[in-house]
Amino acid sequence: SYVLTQPPSVSVAPGQTARITCGGNNIGSKSVHWYQQKPGQAPVLVVYDDSDRPSGIPERFSGSNSGNTATLTISRVEAGDEADYYCQVWDSSSDLLFGGGTKLTVL
Amino acid sequence: EVQLVESGGGLVKPGRSLRLSCTASGFTFGDYAMSWFRQAPGKGLEWVGFIRSKAYGGTTEYAASVKGRFTISRDDSKSIAYLQMNSLKTEDTAVYYCTREAYGDAFDIWGQGTMVTVSS
Repeated sequence: SYVLTQPPSVSVAPGQTARITCGGNNIGSKSVHWYQQKPGQAPVLVVYDDSDRPSGIPERFSGSNSGNTATLTISRVEAGDEADYYCQVWDSSSDLLFGGGTKLTVL
Repeated sequence: EVQLVESGGGLVKPGRSLRLSCTASGFTFGDYAMSWFRQAPGKGLEWVGFIRSKAYGGTTEYAASVKGRFTISRDDSKSIAYLQMNSLKTEDTAVYYCTREAYGDAFDIWGQGTMVTVSS
């Protein structure tokens, strides 16, 4: 079955750039979506189809996907970006699945 | 305002059944596939299943962990999606979210979630 691997935690200072990775076998051939989830709240879609942003999501959020790694990049990080982030794909052998999630801490 | 509101959660004993509802507003419900997800306390997100729109046959797909026990249905006239959960297990304890599928297989609208606790 297909597995998505995310680092458990990423820390960054305000104003710096955070990069959250999502590893998977040949993930570059799949469409990757990213969700932000703050404590006690439902997830919010922040990037879809590797690098597109839904309406209302700041341009500071961007994505890329190539080879075995997809990356969510958050530029000019703010305190309000502190949250858990999940990558998601659809795989024909594993159906719809998520990475384990990455806790972003803003120092 | 585009919105999804789940209801029907609660405490239920193992082996029993529960039906969750997801009431949609602010968009043409029948045009969209709808999915259910869950999140066990302190854990990550897990897909439960989805139902396609009538235009795509209204068919369903389920995660292996719930196949044969859970059933998703929809009533487009009422803008409601349902999750019928039978033979519940303690490991089904989670917050259950209803979502709208957009942009292929990404989910752009999520409900606030409803808690299901399976315990004796």
